[in-house]
This record gives sequence, C-alpha cells and structure tokens, in this order.
Amino acid sequence: GQNIDQPTEMTATEGAIVQINCTYQTSGFNGLFWYQQHAGEAPTFLSYNVLDGLEEKGRFSSFLSRSKGYSYLLLKELQMKDSASYLCAVMDSNYQLIWGAGTKLIIKP
Amino acid sequence: GAVVSQHPSRVICKSGTSVKIECRSLDFQATTMFWYRQFPKQSLMLMATSNEGSKATYEQGVEKDKFLINHASLTLSTLTVTSAHPEDSSFYICSARALAGGETGELFFGEGSRLTVL
Repeated sequence: GQNIDQPTEMTATEGAIVQINCTYQTSGFNGLFWYQQHAGEAPTFLSYNVLDGLEEKGRFSSFLSRSKGYSYLLLKELQMKDSASYLCAVMDSNYQLIWGAGTKLIIKP
Repeated sequence: GAVVSQHPSRVICKSGTSVKIECRSLDFQATTMFWYRQFPKQSLMLMATSNEGSKATYEQGVEKDKFLINHASLTLSTLTVTSAHPEDSSFYICSARALAGGETGELFFGEGSRLTVL
C-alpha cells in the first residue's frame, strides 16, 4: 500500500530552527509537496521537490532523497506565525496526491 | 499566484436538506478539480476527482449519490451534499490543477467550506 509518515506533533522555540521529516512509500513518484495549514484554513503551498537535493526559499527549505524515500522541511528563524500543521504529500505514478497526516508545529516564545 | 475561490465559506443547514458548494478557478483554466474532506486534527481525505465534461471519479467509501459533483466548465466545479446529516458536518476543500501546469503542476486550494448540519 501507499504510505506517508511524518511526526504528529513537534515543539520548537521562537527564533530557532526545526526540521520536519517525511518518509514515503508510494506507487511511483512524480514529486513531493509541502503545504502549510493553519487551523480552520485551507492548505497553502510551500515547496515542490522532484529531484534530489535541497530547495531553499527564504526561511523555508525542503530536501528530497528519492532513493531513501525521504524528505524534510527545514524552517529557520522561527516566528510565532509559523505555528501550523505542515502536510507532506507525494504525487504517485497516476499523478494522484497521497497525503500525510500532517505535523502540528507548536512554537513557544 | 493562481486563485481558487470557494463559496460559501460557512454554511449551517438543517438535517435532510441539500447544500451546494462552488469552487471556481478565477484566473486559470482547471482541467482537474479535487474535492477533499477534513475532520478536525486530521489530514485531507480525497473524496473525488472531477474532470471537466466528464463524470467524477469517487474514492472508495464515498457515496456518489450523496456527494454530487459537477464540473461543467474549466473554471467551475460544484459539490452538492444531498440529504445532509449531522455526520456530514466537516470542512470541505476544493483544489484545482492548472491546465498549463501539466501533470506536475501545483495544486491551488480554495479557502474551504465549513458545513454544519443541525
């Protein structure tokens, strides 16, 4: 079966760095997405990786290793507004998105 | 970036009535639109995939006669929850994939619609 694993919850301190991991087992691979979702709102797109390596976009970076079925989202200089759920999603061979359950990130002052 | 508008954002209805939720891509043509349901503290659950001009493809366990999906144009898809019951209360979210984006194109999400059935 297809499976996306990510931690349920993480806590970090304002100004620090946090890494949210995602491992996946899917039928084929056509890219991995990270989305941010604040409570009661729809997800917003953060990043897309289809090749191995690190993609940096401001305070957020996303890494992919296809051979290991592994990705991480790195958030630097954490701000209180970064408190949200972070969803990892993989596009499979049928171009369908398989969603992880999300990681709730709690930022403390 | 591309904009997807979903309406209404909140709706409260009585049990047994039907509710229609609209999803519009405002500045791009969407060949494919997706409807999701999300329960509190849970991830998105894909309900169905709709392609313009054809019947929607429903995920296993989703009743197609209860959740009617129409994708009449490249910019509009509707989800109708028929004979709603309290257990249908949830957060419904649509997303659209741009025509020009190809199969690896980014998904753009609507704002979501919170349905409460009394």
